[in-house]
Amino acid sequence: NAGVTQTPKFRVLKTGQSMTLLCAQDMNHEYMYWYRQDPGMGLRLIHYSVGEGTTAKGEVPDGYNVSRLKKQNFLLGLESAAPSQTSVYFCASRSGLAGGNQPQHFGDGTRLSIL
Amino acid sequence: KQEVTQIPAALSVPEGENLVLNCSFTDSAIYNLQWFRQDPGKGLTSLLLIQSSQREQTSGRLNASLDKSSGRSTLYIAASQPGDSATYLCAVSQTGANNLFFGTGTRLTVIP
Repeated sequence: NAGVTQTPKFRVLKTGQSMTLLCAQDMNHEYMYWYRQDPGMGLRLIHYSVGEGTTAKGEVPDGYNVSRLKKQNFLLGLESAAPSQTSVYFCASRSGLAGGNQPQHFGDGTRLSIL
Repeated sequence: KQEVTQIPAALSVPEGENLVLNCSFTDSAIYNLQWFRQDPGKGLTSLLLIQSSQREQTSGRLNASLDKSSGRSTLYIAASQPGDSATYLCAVSQTGANNLFFGTGTRLTVIP
């Protein structure tokens, strides 16, 4: 009963390094999302996908890229990490049924520090 | 841009007390409103989802109400327990949009 799994759980990077965060869901959901959560701010949407092979920008997309080659996976990439990208990153997914009135299911997050 | 506000930021209550958490939003053109629970170091767990055409939803000791015209929602927790201690987040989905707008949450502590 895995739900949404995020890899890795923690990571420390140096400025300028690159990395990829992996999100995997086993619920056959169409929609997948990447958020970041910063102290004193609500979760903010980075990118999202409405189905395999599709991606779209959210509220704060700059500095990030995403890919959804398989329905169950949604990857978030940082090409050149900056200290401002230090945050907790959450992946979420939801079903496309009920006209969008389905709750989002979240992973446990990836805690990323950029030095 | 939709703005979501949750007041208070933190709340402490003795076990057994009934309590209300508040959420307000600036744009009434919402598709649905969701309440989530977040435990320290964990992700979000969906508690209740209220569609824009609904006025309230109930699950066990939880009851959420929605007043679109005034831009407000409340989450009522009956007979609070120490296990209810967590941060509660409110989020709205807007008509035609694909993302959720989140509040910053209310951190609830239930004292045994």
